[in-house]
Amino acid sequence: QKEVEQDPGPLSVPEGAIVSLNCTYSNSAFQYFMWYRQYSRKGPELLMYTYSSGNKEDGRFTAQVDKSSKYISLFIRDSQPSDSATYLCASSGSARQLTFGSGTQLTVLP
Amino acid sequence: NAGVTQTPKFQVLKTGQSMTLQCAQDMNHNSMYWYRQDPGMGLRLIYYSASEGTTDKGEVPNGYNVSRLNKREFSLRLESAAPSQTSVYFCASSVPPNPGGSNQPQHFGDGTRLSIL
Repeated sequence: QKEVEQDPGPLSVPEGAIVSLNCTYSNSAFQYFMWYRQYSRKGPELLMYTYSSGNKEDGRFTAQVDKSSKYISLFIRDSQPSDSATYLCASSGSARQLTFGSGTQLTVLP
Repeated sequence: NAGVTQTPKFQVLKTGQSMTLQCAQDMNHNSMYWYRQDPGMGLRLIYYSASEGTTDKGEVPNGYNVSRLNKREFSLRLESAAPSQTSVYFCASSVPPNPGGSNQPQHFGDGTRLSIL
């Protein structure tokens, strides 16, 4: 079993929809949680970075971490075609190594 | 505003050939990383360098060597390429963990697409 599991999708939604992307993790030592966005043929770019449990909001994006259930979520409000990309969750403990999920491919249809 | 620069962007090799992938960052980051990305597998760490002069193995180091040439540059070498090493390779960099121990986010280049026939 991978330490970070992510539904690969693909996920297709109409423009303006609320998108929910989710990951689960198994390592109780994980306390840093990140979401990266990766456009086709590009490198991952950091979208959200959270520590421990709770919510963090940045514009249309909200990251949520529930350590009790080992569940990580990213919500995108008012989704736009420019949000079409692969979204990667990543987690780490005190070490500097990140463990990535396999990514969810999202398409927002105009 | 280059960030992390990887060269080459594409390469095709024959089995048994050798190759060095180059990575340079201009953000004055101490830590640098090499990952490979394969369909359905996500990003897997090959090697990392916490600071100039140090390197450590990641999750999938076999068949690879690295050199931290200076603070800016971190290269990945395939001594004898195998078809299983066909992948997209990403270099990343970050500042080291802060004094409180919190990990720092990594910044990625746009990758090298490597095919081995």
